[in-house]
Amino acid sequence: DAGVTQSPTHLIKTRGQQVTLRCSPISGHKSVSWYQQVLGQGPQFIFQYYEKEERGRGNFPDRFSARQFPNYSSELNVNALLLGDSALYLCASSLEAAPRVNTEAFFGQGTRLTVV
Amino acid sequence: AQRVTQPEKLLSVFKGAPVELKCNYSYSGSPELFWYVQYSRQRLQLLLRHISRESIKGFTADLNKGETSFHLKKPFAQEEDSAMYYCALSGRGAQKLVFGQGTRLTINP
Repeated sequence: DAGVTQSPTHLIKTRGQQVTLRCSPISGHKSVSWYQQVLGQGPQFIFQYYEKEERGRGNFPDRFSARQFPNYSSELNVNALLLGDSALYLCASSLEAAPRVNTEAFFGQGTRLTVV
Repeated sequence: AQRVTQPEKLLSVFKGAPVELKCNYSYSGSPELFWYVQYSRQRLQLLLRHISRESIKGFTADLNKGETSFHLKKPFAQEEDSAMYYCALSGRGAQKLVFGQGTRLTINP
């Protein structure tokens, strides 16, 4: 098992463009969460999806949206990109919707988005 | 408001010395607390969680509700402990993790 996989690994976009980031969870995991990590800061929660339904949303503008597919993979979309959207975007998957004792969130390597 | 504060961005200690990475939190309720670690060129991974009360790689962390702290400790640092450490919390029954800004720990030989 390769763990949580994210694509692409790096991406350069121009201001105003739209971007789609992809995440494949660990096999059997039904929960996917997205985080944004700006340089020098800790990850900041964007969305959580569980069984294809949105379970949580962080304090991000409506330009950010996500969805989860029947195979539990997920996409994060960001419209009208701003320079401030430049960051590492992390995806995490877990078996369940909440972090119980026997489950944990497993993170992908992330997608480095640069907006110029 | 949910907040995690790691007051030290950088921490450098010598091999064999004790290590303590500080974490303070703000949460109205009973949170679950975690320490995540990111070694060089590796992905973020869970180190330990307070509910498990485990010692992982010699590290322990005790939840102090009175001081709202969850400091990470190790009595004798090893060079392989050099990494970025993040303290995080979540509300009970929620997957959302709130992270601190992280502490970069460097163990000098």
